[in-house]
Amino acid sequence: DAGVIQSPRHEVTEMGQEVTLRCKPISGHNSLFWYRQTMMRGLELLIYFNNNVPIDDSGMPEDRFSAKMPNASFSTLKIQPSEPRDSAVYFCASSPRGQGAGANYGYTFGSGTRLTVV
Amino acid sequence: AQSVTQLGSHVSVSEGALVLLRCNYSSSVPPYLFWYVQYPNQGLQLLLKYTTGATLVKGINGFEAEFKKSETSFHLTKPSAHMSDAAEYFCAVSGQTSYDKVIFGPGTSLSVIP
Repeated sequence: DAGVIQSPRHEVTEMGQEVTLRCKPISGHNSLFWYRQTMMRGLELLIYFNNNVPIDDSGMPEDRFSAKMPNASFSTLKIQPSEPRDSAVYFCASSPRGQGAGANYGYTFGSGTRLTVV
Repeated sequence: AQSVTQLGSHVSVSEGALVLLRCNYSSSVPPYLFWYVQYPNQGLQLLLKYTTGATLVKGINGFEAEFKKSETSFHLTKPSAHMSDAAEYFCAVSGQTSYDKVIFGPGTSLSVIP
């Protein structure tokens, strides 16, 4: 398996523009996570999907952020409109079993998308 | 609720020296504990994990960690550092219910000096 695939690797955009980040999880994994990594706040869980259904979106910062998982092999994280404080590395991760007891299977992370909003 | 602290945001060791990265956790329930490693410009990779059973767990690349309940610690060690060990290391904790998120610590950056 090619692992978790994220695109693009780097994104530079102007404030106010829409940004869409993409993720392809590992085939057979039923859980998908979006994380944001910054120097100030470390790794933050934004949203968690299980079997394509959003289970926990309490980490989504505000209404400007939205995430979808239309099928088991694809997810998007959209920011509209983008702001400079959204600059961060965004990671997608997948897991065979999700949170809680399922976490012991470990999460597989993609290489991330480095977003810069100017 | 769970939380993780990692003592030392940056650790430097000489090549061949012992690596010790400290992790303390807080959890109101029996925890699952993890160490993840992040190499530059890459995602996190699972290094090792403790769920139940033996408190000394071995991971990839010669790393091991010991779960000490009395000290609420899960320190990561490696007897002899290699240049390729230079990376960011994250300790993480989770409970065992489906509502429990994996909580990551702030990370420790390990430098290996030749």
